[in-house]
Amino acid sequence: EAQVTQNPRYLITVTGKKLTVTCSQNMNHEYMSWYRQDPGLGLRQIYYSMNVEVTDKGDVPEGYKVSRKEKRNFPLILESPSPNQTSLYFCASSFGPPESSYEQYFGPGTRLTVT
Amino acid sequence: GESVGLHLPTLSVQEGDNSIINCAYSNSASDYFIWYKQESGKGPQFIIDIRSNMDKRQGQRVTVLLNKTVKHLSLQIAATQPGDSAVYFCAENRSGTGGFKTIFGAGTRLFVKA
Repeated sequence: EAQVTQNPRYLITVTGKKLTVTCSQNMNHEYMSWYRQDPGLGLRQIYYSMNVEVTDKGDVPEGYKVSRKEKRNFPLILESPSPNQTSLYFCASSFGPPESSYEQYFGPGTRLTVT
Repeated sequence: GESVGLHLPTLSVQEGDNSIINCAYSNSASDYFIWYKQESGKGPQFIIDIRSNMDKRQGQRVTVLLNKTVKHLSLQIAATQPGDSAVYFCAENRSGTGGFKTIFGAGTRLFVKA
């Protein structure tokens, strides 16, 4: 089944404890993105990647890191999480840039709580 | 449940009626627009897209209209069904240095009354 998977789905952690949220897609997609979703703010793009070793900042990259060492994986790293990073996180992928009409497929989401 | 969209605009329609969800976008340089549907507890799901060189595009029971003059986008759902109840987001795409940026609207919650 074609899908985007994220792990973990739920995570409660403490301020400053490094964590990684994994994202993997099995569709051979070139493009991958991370978003956070907060009430009343919709989804905001954190980072995106057009291919292996090519990443760029979205609108809210502060406090996050990403890497794209393999085409299928795009982990999101929080080196020192803070309470304002409590949010619902989504990973997404597509064959090519959305301006080429390649729809984005979203993962199921990761609910992160930082205390 | 999810706390998505606590302060969202809402639209309530009767089953079988047509729904119109509106969206204003900000950047006149955006050249590609998408509508997504998000059901409770799930990630957004692609519905339909439109390029800036088009005014209208139709899919199965859905139509997207684009008015570039006033930077307005709308999603029309024909014969709305209970399964259409969800939060709907418009999104605009802009090319960036590494690929693309996607900017989402705040969303509209659609309630379908049986």
